[in-house]
Amino acid sequence: EVQLVESGGGLVQPGGSLRLSCAASGFTFSNYWMTWVRQAPGKGLEWVAIIKQDGSENYYVDSVKGRFTISRDNAKNSLYLQMNSLRAEDTAVYYCARDQASRIYLIGWFDPWGQGTLVTVSS
Amino acid sequence: EIVMTQSPATLSVSPGERATLSCRASQSVSSNLAWYQQKPGQAPRLLIYRASIRATGISARFSGSGSGTEFTLTISSLQSEDFAVYYCQQYNNWPPALTFGGGTKVEIK
Repeated sequence: EVQLVESGGGLVQPGGSLRLSCAASGFTFSNYWMTWVRQAPGKGLEWVAIIKQDGSENYYVDSVKGRFTISRDNAKNSLYLQMNSLRAEDTAVYYCARDQASRIYLIGWFDPWGQGTLVTVSS
Repeated sequence: EIVMTQSPATLSVSPGERATLSCRASQSVSSNLAWYQQKPGQAPRLLIYRASIRATGISARFSGSGSGTEFTLTISSLQSEDFAVYYCQQYNNWPPALTFGGGTKVEIK
């Protein structure tokens, strides 16, 4: 069974840091682009970052550039999101998701998704 | 940035009726559009990709259409499990800057 399990969320003060993890199983992790998408409480979905199979390319939404870093460890079948200089507006459930198919190019839609991990930025 | 606008924000439909959801892009995204379903407390699930192709395991009740800037998701006969929030998402540019619409909540009338 293809599965993605996020962890690492929690309560952090403004200006603080947090590292999210996403453990993948049931598929060849190293063959897929992977992404992070977040959802503020009661709001819609917002794409955050994406990373190529070998980690050689990564891209971010403007609002997190310079603060967040996406990375992966293919040997551990794991995806990460290092979040620094956190702000109240970063409060959200963070989902990791897999590109739909294993192509060298980005397909651009995502299936499956993990269950999400909640990040709360508050003093 | 390509802005995706969904309408209506809320759609009240009786079980067994047809639901039509709209998604508009601020510029052409060709057919590079996906639809997701999200139920309360759950992660989104891919329903439709490339504007009209059903994802694996998705009921034939769901159909997508459109290209360019105007897209539609149709649910032919609403079942109880279809009441949820639906999001459209585009991917049509490089470097990637994927964007989602604001969502349409389909509720029981």
